[in-house]
Amino acid sequence: ILNVEQSPQSLHVQEGDSTNFTCSFPSSNFYALHWYRWETAKSPEALFVMTLNGDEKKKGRISATLNTKEGYSYLYIKGSQPEDSATYLCAQNSGYALNFGKGTSLLVTP
Amino acid sequence: DGGITQSPKYLFRKEGQNVTLSCEQNLNHDAMYWYRQDPGQGLRLIYYSQIVNDFQKGDIAEGYSVSREKKESFPLTVTSAQKNPTAFYLCASSQRGAPGEQFFGPGTRLTVL
Repeated sequence: ILNVEQSPQSLHVQEGDSTNFTCSFPSSNFYALHWYRWETAKSPEALFVMTLNGDEKKKGRISATLNTKEGYSYLYIKGSQPEDSATYLCAQNSGYALNFGKGTSLLVTP
Repeated sequence: DGGITQSPKYLFRKEGQNVTLSCEQNLNHDAMYWYRQDPGQGLRLIYYSQIVNDFQKGDIAEGYSVSREKKESFPLTVTSAQKNPTAFYLCASSQRGAPGEQFFGPGTRLTVL
């Protein structure tokens, strides 16, 4: 079982703050790294799928980077808004399924 | 409107009973997956299927069974052999092969009384 770790476990920021989370994963036999956003009472929703070392992806105020050689990915949220409140999941694709970290729970208060 | 449906949303079961959770998708995806979530844990893979009439055990398959008779359906049976079945169950689907994005259903919360 691949060991995907996420930090911090939870985060509470004020509206307008920028924040970032970390995902670390085994760097051997790498296929892809996924980020999902999971809002309460909804289904997890894909944010990014990253495959190449040095990949940087952006969707609105959210961006992510990938370092496959050292086994980590960062997710950044610029100018956090209350609607960004959710659990952010990182998962490594093992070639047949996803191995998930425990997630980072973000709360953004006005 | 394409997507994944899971039913029921909440399910209660008495100890010793088998129960089946439904998962249906109309995304024309080949691959389907079942995950389980417990408090403080990440999503853990129970079973997956890359194609009709074929499925493989995931990391925590003991006490569970599945079938994949149709492309759009992947039901999960929680048997009485599962020691701690109370959990939140998520179904997902994707195009076959890495590194495909997975699409998730809304989940079923199973409580054993």
